[in-house]
Amino acid sequence: QKEVEQDPGPLSVPEGAIVSLNCTYSNSAFQYFMWYRQYSRKGPELLMYTYSSGNKEDGRFTAQVDKSSKYISLFIRDSQPSDSATYLCAMRPASGGYQKVTFGTGTKLQVIP
Amino acid sequence: ETGVTQSPTHLIKTRGQQVTLRCSSQSGHNTVSWYQQALGQGPQFIFQYYREEENGRGNFPPRFSGLQFPNYSSELNVNALELDDSALYLCASSLEGQSSPLHFGNGTRLTVT
Repeated sequence: QKEVEQDPGPLSVPEGAIVSLNCTYSNSAFQYFMWYRQYSRKGPELLMYTYSSGNKEDGRFTAQVDKSSKYISLFIRDSQPSDSATYLCAMRPASGGYQKVTFGTGTKLQVIP
Repeated sequence: ETGVTQSPTHLIKTRGQQVTLRCSSQSGHNTVSWYQQALGQGPQFIFQYYREEENGRGNFPPRFSGLQFPNYSSELNVNALELDDSALYLCASSLEGQSSPLHFGNGTRLTVT
């Protein structure tokens, strides 16, 4: 079983829709949770960065962490064609001395105009 | 603020050869990590460098090695290339400490034939 599970998609939605992207994890030591966006032939770009449980909002993006269920989500409101990309969830523990980040496989999102 | 830059962008090598990939970290960042991203997969942690020393390694064999220089730039060296080494190699820089997120470059696409 992988430490981080993420539905690879692809996920196709119409422009303006609310998108929900999700990951589950098995390692209870994970404390920092991230969402990255990756366009084709580009490196991952940090979208959201949260610590422990709770919600964080940044513009059209909202990240949610439920540590009791080992479940994290990213919501995109009013989705745009420019949001079409692969979305990677990522996480790491609070201790360990170095910054190994564990990624999901990524969900490919397509927003149809 | 200068972001993470990697060179070269693309590389084709033959099985058994050696390769060196280069990375310049984001301005002010003192920690560099390397990740391998196979097609359709999330990035996998190779190792991290801080103060010119490797201070964390993922599940990669010793033929994967690296260096960090006093200006925080870094190299990834891979010896005895295998076909399965074909992937996107990503460099990420960050500040020391668990609370600092990773910032990625656009990667080097390595093809081994």
